[in-house]
Amino acid sequence: GAGVSQSPRYKVTKRGQDVTLRCDPISSHATLYWYQQALGQGPEFLTYFNYEAQPDKSGLPSDRFSAERPEGSISTLTIQRTEQRDSAMYRCASSPQAKPQETQYFGPGTRLLVL
Amino acid sequence: DAKTTQPPSMDCAEGRAANLPCNHSTISGNEYVYWYRQIHSQGPQYIIHGLKNNETNEMASLIITEDRKSSTLILPHATLRDTAVYYCIVRETSGSRLTFGEGTQLTVNP
Repeated sequence: GAGVSQSPRYKVTKRGQDVTLRCDPISSHATLYWYQQALGQGPEFLTYFNYEAQPDKSGLPSDRFSAERPEGSISTLTIQRTEQRDSAMYRCASSPQAKPQETQYFGPGTRLLVL
Repeated sequence: DAKTTQPPSMDCAEGRAANLPCNHSTISGNEYVYWYRQIHSQGPQYIIHGLKNNETNEMASLIITEDRKSSTLILPHATLRDTAVYYCIVRETSGSRLTFGEGTQLTVNP
């Protein structure tokens, strides 16, 4: 596609429910990133994929958070048993490769509100 | 990643050059300096990056000091649409995460 897309754009859920967020990266981009952004703060790294491999998931805040990219393209971020502190903007980015000189292109984000 | 230090806010008059400083005194030799900006609630937008030499593109110029311990992003003719939070990021050599700090809120005034 022309850019990174994410769905849904907004999600309201009740505490304790599971949610799944989707990211569709730029086609042919090998690397996909997930970030969490609290209001008024910069994005914080959660995890990334190189094709279907997940070399770094050190930023995931707890074992309630997991991400998949089974076919090396679309990725999902799942939050189980949501808590109010999970409320944030979740941003996905992609880049051609995982090299330090590669630019990351960000999607519009999914705003999650946990009541 | 090397820590970066930026002023929390800056103002600039429309049509004037905006010079945004960044200190990264612990940068290592093969780490890149990246600049991104975030306009309101949009996703971060890439501006420019460099390793050692000064760089220029259609959006901005990046001046990196010879010792690489600081850099300046220059928007040559700021417009109201340049009002945003600007992030200076030193990217680790493994090439994965971007570590965003607090950034500088640039406000361009008419």
